[in-house]
Amino acid sequence: AQSVSQHNHHVILSEAASLELGCNYSYGGTVNLFWYVQYPGQHLQLLLKYFSGDPLVKGIKGFEAEFIKSKFSFNLRKPSVQWSDTAEYFCAVNEDGGFKTIFGAGTRLFVKA
Amino acid sequence: DADVTQTPRNRITKTGKRIMLECSQTKGHDRMYWYRQDPGLGLRLIYYSFDVKDINKGEISDGYSVSRQAQAKFSLSLESAIPNQTALYFCATSDLGTGPYNEQFFGPGTRLTVL
Repeated sequence: AQSVSQHNHHVILSEAASLELGCNYSYGGTVNLFWYVQYPGQHLQLLLKYFSGDPLVKGIKGFEAEFIKSKFSFNLRKPSVQWSDTAEYFCAVNEDGGFKTIFGAGTRLFVKA
Repeated sequence: DADVTQTPRNRITKTGKRIMLECSQTKGHDRMYWYRQDPGLGLRLIYYSFDVKDINKGEISDGYSVSRQAQAKFSLSLESAIPNQTALYFCATSDLGTGPYNEQFFGPGTRLTVL
């Protein structure tokens, strides 16, 4: 069965620090990969997605993620975080053309001003 | 206007009561989903539907039922609510197809508390 692991449940950073959130999945076939963000009190919003092509994907608000197929990983990065990046981040995997998207447990990021 | 709406946004109820959560979408998507979110567990799929005639159980469907009244409407019912169903519930939609069409669009959520 597919599964998604997010390595850190809670991350605390100071503004301007660099961010990397780990995500690994288990599935051997073709996948679509997503990072969603949930700001406090809000619904999930798509941050970025990968479905084919360049494995380095750029999303909104300066976020990017790199798909490394050999490592089954899709880590999220941002060079310099801001206080407004405080949120919960979810990695998600969908079998290409499949009907289910599997979500990781989420990583809560708190950015200190 | 929001593409995916949920009502109510907040609900407090008592054990044993029947509760219905409603979801409507204007995106024209065929696929609709109900998830629950619990701290530390991420989102777990309760039910999903590919069209009005197609309803499928997700990983945690026990204690829940759904109704797809139209392409745009997908309701989740708790027949007899229990305290461990206290959670944040999200409705989501996606288009048919592969690749980028697998992106899901989420509603604002319903916070349900069962006393």
